[in-house]
Amino acid sequence: QQKVQQSPESLTVSEGAMASLNCTFSDRSSDNFRWYRQHSGKGLEVLVSIFSDGEKEEGSFTAHLNRASLHVFLHIREPQPSDSALYLCAVSMSNYNVLYFGSGTKLTVEP
Amino acid sequence: EAAVTQSPRNKVAVTGGKVTLSCNQTNNHNNMYWYRQDTGHGLRLIHYSYGAGSTEKGDIPDGYKASRPSQENFSLILELATPSQTSVYFCASGDWGNSDYTFGSGTRLLVI
Repeated sequence: QQKVQQSPESLTVSEGAMASLNCTFSDRSSDNFRWYRQHSGKGLEVLVSIFSDGEKEEGSFTAHLNRASLHVFLHIREPQPSDSALYLCAVSMSNYNVLYFGSGTKLTVEP
Repeated sequence: EAAVTQSPRNKVAVTGGKVTLSCNQTNNHNNMYWYRQDTGHGLRLIHYSYGAGSTEKGDIPDGYKASRPSQENFSLILELATPSQTSVYFCASGDWGNSDYTFGSGTRLLVI
């Protein structure tokens, strides 16, 4: 069964400083990776989807996938206090199509 | 606009009672999913479906049943609700390959 782990559990950064979040997965057959943001008490907002090794940028969010090392990273460029939220990594396989989630990183961006 | 709509948004149920959570999608997706999220944690898969008439067990199916009577509708049923089922429940729809998933806004369930 797929295991998805995220680190750190919580992260505090200053406004404008780069934030980097880490996600590891266990199944090398995985080929679908998504990062979601969830503000407190709200639903899930997809930030970036990546399906092949390398980088993909969506606005201030960049996902970096390295399947050989079983890692997918999320970098947030110049985060604002409004980016304070729970960030969730989700992994799936296109021929199975069930999303497996990590437990999240709680990001706090201080003014 | 394509969407996933969950009802009710909030529900208070008594222990031992029956609870039905409903989900409707207008995305024409084949697959639908039910997840639960406990405070500060990620989502865990309860049941999912590949199409009308099909249901599959996810990682935590105990205490839950699911029903997919049509392409558009997917219900989660708690026959005998327990306080441990107090959680936020998310429904989602998706399709094969690299398609996007669409999540509903969630249902907050409190079992007392």
